[in-house]
Amino acid sequence: GENVEQHPSTLSVQEGDSAVIKCTYSDSASNYFPWYKQELGKRPQLIIDIRSNVGEKKDQRIAVTLNKTAKHFSLHITETQPEDSAVYFCAASLITGGGNKLTFGTGTQLKVEL
Amino acid sequence: DAGITQSPRYKITETGRQVTLMCHQTWSHSYMFWYRQDLGHGLRLIYYSAAADITDKGEVPDGYVVSRSKTENFPLTLESATRSQTSVYFCASSEGQGTGDYEQYFGPGTRLTVT
Repeated sequence: GENVEQHPSTLSVQEGDSAVIKCTYSDSASNYFPWYKQELGKRPQLIIDIRSNVGEKKDQRIAVTLNKTAKHFSLHITETQPEDSAVYFCAASLITGGGNKLTFGTGTQLKVEL
Repeated sequence: DAGITQSPRYKITETGRQVTLMCHQTWSHSYMFWYRQDLGHGLRLIYYSAAADITDKGEVPDGYVVSRSKTENFPLTLESATRSQTSVYFCASSEGQGTGDYEQYFGPGTRLTVT
C-alpha cells in the first residue's frame, strides 16, 4: 500500500518568513495530493490540493508543488502569520471508482513566532 | 445546516466493553470514512464506505466493525475495546467521483479512552 513520509516533524519560523514542508510517497500510481491544517483541538481542514497532472498550484500565500518523477510534493507558506500556527498533514491517494482513500503523513507542527 | 457531526464527543469505557461511535452527515455525500489519530502516526484509515451497504477495510481495521444502512449514517463499533484503541476518532465524508470534488470533510472528532 501507499506510504507517505513527512518532514520536518516540527518547524519554527519568525512571523513574515516562509515555511516549507516536504512529503514523499511510495506509490507511483497516486494521483491526488491534499494538504490539511489542524488547529489544536479542532478537526483537520483542507487548505489546498493538487492533482498529478499539475506541477504547481497557488492560493494566496499557500502553494503546493509536485514532482512525480521523484515522488515528492511540498507545501509552501509565504509571509507567515501567527494564525498559521497549527499541525499540517500531507496525504496521497489514488482516485478510483472505489473513492478517495487517503494515506496521511505523520504531520508537521508549525509554530510562527512573533 | 449541521454538516457532519459525531457523538459522543468524549467517551470513557472499560476494557472488553462494546462501544459504538456515531457519525451523521447532512450533505448526502456518497463516501464516508473513519480515521483514528494518534501522536506520531497522523491519521490512519480504519474503514470507508462508498455508498449505503458498501463498506471496505482501510489500513487498521482489526477490532472494529462498521455498517451503513443509510447514506447519512456511518457508525463505528469497537466490539471488545482494548487500551490500544484509546485514540481520537474522526469521521469524514466526501462527494466522490462525478463532481470533481475530492475534499474530505471531517467531523469534530470523538476522544475515546479505554481504561
